[in-house]
Order: sequence, then C-alpha cells, then structure tokens
Amino acid sequence: EDQVTQSPEALRLQEGESSSLNCSYTVSGLRGLFWYRQDPGKGPEFLFTLYSAGEEKEKERLKATLTKKESFLHITAPKPEDSATYLCAVQAGGDYKLSFGAGTTVTVRA
Amino acid sequence: DAMVIQNPRYQVTQFGKPVTLSCSQTLNHNVMYWYQQKSSQAPKLLFHYYDKDFNNEADTPDNFQSRRPNTSFCFLDIRSPGLGDAAMYLCATSGGGTSYEQYFGPGTRLTVT
Repeated sequence: EDQVTQSPEALRLQEGESSSLNCSYTVSGLRGLFWYRQDPGKGPEFLFTLYSAGEEKEKERLKATLTKKESFLHITAPKPEDSATYLCAVQAGGDYKLSFGAGTTVTVRA
Repeated sequence: DAMVIQNPRYQVTQFGKPVTLSCSQTLNHNVMYWYQQKSSQAPKLLFHYYDKDFNNEADTPDNFQSRRPNTSFCFLDIRSPGLGDAAMYLCATSGGGTSYEQYFGPGTRLTVT
C-alpha cells in the first residue's frame, strides 16, 4: 500500500525565515509526486508535479525537489500570504488515484 | 477560465435526509473524482470515473453514491447522512492518458444536524 508521510505537521515562521517541508513516500512504481496548497475552507490548488529523482520545479518563493524516497518543498523568504496547508500526493502504477499525506500547516508571521 | 465548479458551497442537511452535491467542469477532462476531507486530515478518495467507467473505493460506505450523466457533470448522493458524514467534499478532475495532475473545485462544506 502506498504511504505518504509529511513533516512537520505544523511550521511557524517569521516573515523572511526560509524553511523546508518534507514528504517521504513508499510506493511501487512512482508515476508522479504532486504538491498542492490548500487555504482554509477551500479546495487544494495545484503547485507542482515531479516525475523523477533529481527533478526540481520553482514557482515564486517555492521550490520542490525530488529524491527516490522523499520530496522537499523549500520556502524562500516567506511572506504572510504563504500561510497555508501544503499537501503532498503520489501516484503509482497505472492508477489515476492520488495518495495524499496529511499536510504541513505553515503560518508566516509578519 | 477553465475550471471546476461545485454547488452549493455550503450545505446543511438533517440526519437521515438525502442530499446531492454537484460538480461541473469546463476542462473537458476524462476523469472526475470525489473526495471527503475532514478537519486537519488528508483528502480521502470516495470514487472516480474514467469517462463513464465508475471506480468505487473498497472502503467507501454504501451510503455514498455517484452519477456522471455526461463529461461535464458529476453528482455525489448521500442517501442517509449521519453526523459522521459532516465534512468538506471535494471534486477534482484530471485529463487521463499521461496527464495525472488533478485540479480541484472549491469544495462543498456539508453540515449534518
């Protein structure tokens, strides 16, 4: 069974204080690893897809990286508007289903 | 803009009273999904359609049913809601083929009284 574990559960940052979120996974035949941002009371918003170890994607202050066992979401010089829950999900085999982690809730204080 | 739309955004129903949530998409995607998400938890897949082919998760209660009358629309029916069914219900779509990213709607918050 696919397993996705995110850490830490919660992260409190000062504005400008860079940090990283971790997503470790155990799957058979990874097809893709996905990062989403979810604001309270809203649906997840797609951020990145990573397909193979060594791949990196960037968007504004966010950078996602992938190894064979885990992915990191780096937040560089965060702003209060980066406060959200960040979800990691994996897709494996020939299935269209995603297996989600429980998320990391990031709070950025001004 | 192409998007996934869910209605209503908030739904209050009584214990045992059937309720239907709707989802529509303008992305022309083949695959549509329904998830249940409870507070501080990961989204839990209930079922998905690839075109008209229905795929039910093994642990989805029989109380939950779905219909997809055409490519654009998908419905979630909860036949007899219990207090434990109060949650955010998320609809998502993906293109199928080699396109695996899922795009989510804003969700419907269901309250059961």
